[in-house]
Amino acid sequence: DGGITQSPKYLFRKEGQNVTLSCEQNLNHDAMYWYRQDPGQGLRLIYYSQIVNDFQKGDIAEGYSVSREKKESFPLTVTSAQKNPTAFYLCASSIAEIRGLQPQHFGDGTRLSIL
Amino acid sequence: AQSVTQLGSHVSVSEGALVLLRCNYSSSVPPYLFWYVQYPNQGLQLLLKYTTGATLVKGINGFEAEFKKSETSFHLTKPSAHMSDAAEYFCAASLYGNKLVFGAGTILRVKS
Repeated sequence: DGGITQSPKYLFRKEGQNVTLSCEQNLNHDAMYWYRQDPGQGLRLIYYSQIVNDFQKGDIAEGYSVSREKKESFPLTVTSAQKNPTAFYLCASSIAEIRGLQPQHFGDGTRLSIL
Repeated sequence: AQSVTQLGSHVSVSEGALVLLRCNYSSSVPPYLFWYVQYPNQGLQLLLKYTTGATLVKGINGFEAEFKKSETSFHLTKPSAHMSDAAEYFCAASLYGNKLVFGAGTILRVKS
């Protein structure tokens, strides 16, 4: 079945440590996204990519980095510069379409906590 | 900047009662609108979307939503709540490009 796989499901980070969250999709979608979810705040966009080797900052990119070397993969690194990384992270993908009418498909998320 | 407001962070209904979850958007140009559902510790699942055409949109699991341009609203309804409907619901909007703006979410509780 086609879908989006996020791993790991739970991740713990020590102070000063960088951690990388994996996101892989087999939907043949060009566009991929990373969101951060905190209780009562909805989803906030961290980074997005419309095509391989290109990505743009979202609303809360500080302390995060991404790469898009393959169409299927869009890993997110939470760096030590992100002072409050505890959250639920969701990866999504969609058909890239300028009018914005294509829905996004989501993975099951990674819950990141600080040790 | 475009924004999406969901009235009521928590809504509680009895099983079999009407479900009404409210969503308003702020945009001079009507955006494309989506409702998603999220079960605990899972990702979001698309319930329905409004792009163009018919203003009453039917989705999965018996949900529907009506786009009202004059009220800048896109409220989600279901005639009869089921215990399995208990989840968090998100309204989202996109204007141009693939970026979505999400509301803060509404947690639906269904009482037996």
